[in-house]
Amino acid sequence: AAGVIQSPRHLIKEKRETATLKCYPIPRHDTVYWYQQGPGQDPQFLISFYEKMQSDKGSIPDRFSAQQFSDYHSELNMSSLELGDSALYFCASSPGLAGTYEQYFGPGTRLTVT
Amino acid sequence: GENVEQHPSTLSVQEGDSAVIKCTYSDSASNYFPWYKQELGKGPQLIIDIRSNVGEKKDQRIAVTLNKTAKHFSLHITETQPEDSAVYFCAASRAGGTSYGKLTFGQGTILTVHP
Repeated sequence: AAGVIQSPRHLIKEKRETATLKCYPIPRHDTVYWYQQGPGQDPQFLISFYEKMQSDKGSIPDRFSAQQFSDYHSELNMSSLELGDSALYFCASSPGLAGTYEQYFGPGTRLTVT
Repeated sequence: GENVEQHPSTLSVQEGDSAVIKCTYSDSASNYFPWYKQELGKGPQLIIDIRSNVGEKKDQRIAVTLNKTAKHFSLHITETQPEDSAVYFCAASRAGGTSYGKLTFGQGTILTVHP
């Protein structure tokens, strides 16, 4: 079965640089969630989109922005990177509000800021 | 906002034993409680979930129970195998209606199954 695709899988950036993470949801899933997971931590919700509109926002820094495109893929843009942004970034997709709540996670993007 | 507490943080069992992981949540409006298994370097994998209108759900060796009154839910794994070794996360969300189901996770349990 098709899964969530994330790219790139690994990314190394320097402080103050910009990074763009991409997420391709499972086909026919219209809801996308972004989570950040620090070393030894649980995933923390950043932001979500339903039908290309932002649906919820968590502890996402103002330096980060995201959007969902017409083909339902999503991109997380991170600017002025800080050392503390080093983490695993997961995208999850869900069939949306049609009575199904399951979220399926991608393999993640490991971001290292040096 | 929602707060999820998970215990224990580490759990070591012998192959064939049972393992139980417990979580409590704070938001009485939460209505969906999934469990995820995360292996090293991989994304969380949904293994079982339960909704607030159900008290128990079972899928082969895995079961989840929910006590809405006490606001706690548990994962039970029977006949554990070495390949069950991983980090397990519980989560809670308020899904449906105008809520879009963001997950609040527990702190995770490192399960080690010894052969």
